[in-house]
Amino acid sequence: DAGITQSPRHKVTETGTPVTLRCHQTENHRYMYWYRQDPGHGLRLIHYSYGVKDTDKGEVSDGYSVSRSKTEDFLLTLESATSSQTSVYFCAISGTSQNEQFFGPGTRLTVL
Amino acid sequence: ELKVEQNPLFLSMQEGKNYTIYCNYSTTSDRLYWYRQDPGKSLESLFVLLSNGAVKQEGRLMASLDTKARLSTLHITAAVHDLSATYFCAVDMEYGNKLVFGAGTILRVKS
Repeated sequence: DAGITQSPRHKVTETGTPVTLRCHQTENHRYMYWYRQDPGHGLRLIHYSYGVKDTDKGEVSDGYSVSRSKTEDFLLTLESATSSQTSVYFCAISGTSQNEQFFGPGTRLTVL
Repeated sequence: ELKVEQNPLFLSMQEGKNYTIYCNYSTTSDRLYWYRQDPGKSLESLFVLLSNGAVKQEGRLMASLDTKARLSTLHITAAVHDLSATYFCAVDMEYGNKLVFGAGTILRVKS
């Protein structure tokens, strides 16, 4: 299995509070991604990174920000959580010539 | 904008039967990926299809890619209960190392 961990694995928070999710990889892959998974929508890309300090927006980036100060860590921040951000969040990494993405275990976030 | 459609979205089948899941996409791409997800788990890579006419097989699953028709199929042969899961196809956008996912097909194999 690709060395990807996510923390926390579960979190319950209240509307309006800031939340940071962490993705950590040990594969030294260049690309890292944050997705959210909601029923009926598959996975939707929030933000991605193509190198240290290099990030870009995905399909559903509103309300989210990211940072990548080291190759191995990619942080997703919800500045002020809303109930619509209740979801399962997956981190993925990619760095092979086939562009195959490998996924972390996921974080289940509930915003009350 | 790249759109990826899977059908069916839900499939209930008997053990021993064959069936096909379809993945259509809207713009040019020659890279397509199939993933499996068990309930409450992460996504597991099944197949990587990188060119027109690519065919990959693993056990009772076979995936193919027709880039001219913008269509990939995941064929299930003689289904067994262990294949019950959600299957996603994902298409690589032409630029940017980004994937667009289909909504997923929930497969239930009944004994």
